[in-house]
Amino acid sequence: GAVVSQHPSWVICKSGTSVKIECRSLDFQATTMFWYRQFPKQSLMLMATSNEGSKATYEQGVEKDKFLINHASLTLSTLTVTSAHPEDSSFYICSASRRAGYEQYFGPGTRLTVT
Amino acid sequence: AQSVTQLGSHVSVSEGALVLLRCNYSSSVPPYLFWYVQYPNQGLQLLLKYTSAATLVKGINGFEAEFKKSETSFHLTKPSAHMSDAAEYFCAVSVFGNEKLTFGTGTRLTIIP
Repeated sequence: GAVVSQHPSWVICKSGTSVKIECRSLDFQATTMFWYRQFPKQSLMLMATSNEGSKATYEQGVEKDKFLINHASLTLSTLTVTSAHPEDSSFYICSASRRAGYEQYFGPGTRLTVT
Repeated sequence: AQSVTQLGSHVSVSEGALVLLRCNYSSSVPPYLFWYVQYPNQGLQLLLKYTSAATLVKGINGFEAEFKKSETSFHLTKPSAHMSDAAEYFCAVSVFGNEKLTFGTGTRLTIIP
């Protein structure tokens, strides 16, 4: 159990367009989901925490209007990168936990390339 | 606030040799500590975790780690390296009641045939 999927696994988009990344918990209900960003050969940086049915909490320095997060159900959270630019190119990873304080299960990641 | 420091961004060991990946933490309250492994272009897989129970924690794939409060360390070891162990390894810390994970900068493990 505790499988998290992400879709798409990779995406290429043109500068100025928006792209949506989905994160799903396949066999459990996730009250909390996390979105991370990972630059090449670097660690994971937490972007935001989302709880089902409420607004996401963004980390300092993350533009909430640029990275829109929606956690509409207990099994789905989405990250929309709006008006993407080349500097947004990165590996985006989500994780999900059953409830506060419990283990996070990570998705396989989405590689975003903005041309 | 808590943090972790991983000494050595790159570690190379021969196949069959001991693997030792270092992690030191900083936390004002008792920490929860984790080791994750990441294969290229993939997400993170939990190897093991310490949550204030036994100080020697055994994980998957033959890895284990020992929590040493006096040294604020949580080093990851494996007695005999296998080629399939080549990956990026991340140490992370959180505290009870706050599920945010703070990751170290990672250690890339290379196995020499």
